[in-house]
Amino acid sequence: GIQVEQSPPDLILQEGANSTLRCNFSDSVNNLQWFHQNPWGQLINLFYIPSGTKQNGRLSATTVATERYSLLYISSSQTTDSGVYFCAVERGGGFKTIFGAGTRLFVKA
Amino acid sequence: GAVVSQHPSWVICKSGTSVKIECRSLDFQATTMFWYRQFPKQSLMLMATSNEGSKATYEQGVEKDKFLINHASLTLSTLTVTSAHPEDSSFYICSASTHNEQFFGPGTRLTVL
Repeated sequence: GIQVEQSPPDLILQEGANSTLRCNFSDSVNNLQWFHQNPWGQLINLFYIPSGTKQNGRLSATTVATERYSLLYISSSQTTDSGVYFCAVERGGGFKTIFGAGTRLFVKA
Repeated sequence: GAVVSQHPSWVICKSGTSVKIECRSLDFQATTMFWYRQFPKQSLMLMATSNEGSKATYEQGVEKDKFLINHASLTLSTLTVTSAHPEDSSFYICSASTHNEQFFGPGTRLTVL
């Protein structure tokens, strides 16, 4: 099956710093989403981005489908950005979604 | 975005009892919903795909008689953990898709004593 790898696995930032999270996938995909799982376990939709670039406030994402990777940019990080960031891909037909292992982010004040 | 609710948010039960978890899409209809399980500090593992009006599709290694799924309407799917044991303790999360995008419920933390 398709493999989804996220890097780095863990990241510690000083408040105000910028960061880039990466998601590589081993085969072509129809859909790709980025989620933030907060400390209470809720998964929050960040981006639906099978290709191209999107921005939402301090966050932006780029997916280069032909090269099978996606990047999530966090600028001017805040302590509330802490949590786990997941990349999830769907290959097609049946909406079966495969999650990466996640990047665990801690932003310190 | 679309809203998915889950109930209960946490439950503690005795070994041998059954626990039902509800997943509802509040502002859209979902012919397909998904049930995931998450262990501490791990990623989400898909357990089964719940299809409205038909049998659920279970992932390899997931016991269908242990985890009963019913998708009785376009807005409700239920997961029943039958004869729960301590090893079933976990965080269970449901999701529903609309317009190719998945939205997740807040999760249910199950503890089996």
